[in-house]
Amino acid sequence: DQQVKQNSPSLSVQEGRISILNCDYTNSMFDYFLWYKKYPAEGPTFLISISSIKDKNEDGRFTVFLNKSAKHLSLHIVPSQPGDSAVYFCAANNFGNEKLTFGTGTRLTIIP
Amino acid sequence: DGGITQSPKYLFRKEGQNVTLSCEQNLNHDAMYWYRQDPGQGLRLIYYSQIVNDFQKGDIAEGYSVSREKKESFPLTVTSAQKNPTAFYLCASRDSYYTGELFFGEGSRLTVL
Repeated sequence: DQQVKQNSPSLSVQEGRISILNCDYTNSMFDYFLWYKKYPAEGPTFLISISSIKDKNEDGRFTVFLNKSAKHLSLHIVPSQPGDSAVYFCAANNFGNEKLTFGTGTRLTIIP
Repeated sequence: DGGITQSPKYLFRKEGQNVTLSCEQNLNHDAMYWYRQDPGQGLRLIYYSQIVNDFQKGDIAEGYSVSREKKESFPLTVTSAQKNPTAFYLCASRDSYYTGELFFGEGSRLTVL
């Protein structure tokens, strides 16, 4: 049972344009969401997070939007840069549960 | 520099052999985790530990074992009972109980020959 889904395995975006990565979840108990970035043969690095009490969180070029009614979150990267080419994972958990559930990832390729 | 150290980075094993992956952290984090990454399947939780001498099974614990004798260390043993052990293994740790941000090591790639 995949509770966190990233339905687009890959995405290609022109350098300088906006990259939008999407994530859906099914567990209504999730109340904290995170995005991680991963390069090949390396561990994931934390990008940005959002609590369910918010609908938007911004950090530099990265903005995460949360739509609780739709059980959907998205990561916007503006402007996209070549170094943003990586696999992006969304993850979720709920208070009282130590398990962080990850999606399957989206490979983002920025085209120069 | 604080961080998580996984070793070895690459490991080859013959079928039927047990192998232990090391994970050490100097972040003074209470919680530690082992994840497995396979192509197209994201990160799946194997085991996690919230405190020393205590650990819980994750979603895919069969064929794996762990120990947590020290706060800094959380080794993972891949046993011969694991049917498909070839994968990329990631260790992580976390400080705050609720913030959810995991810090990951660089990973260990295990290949069964």
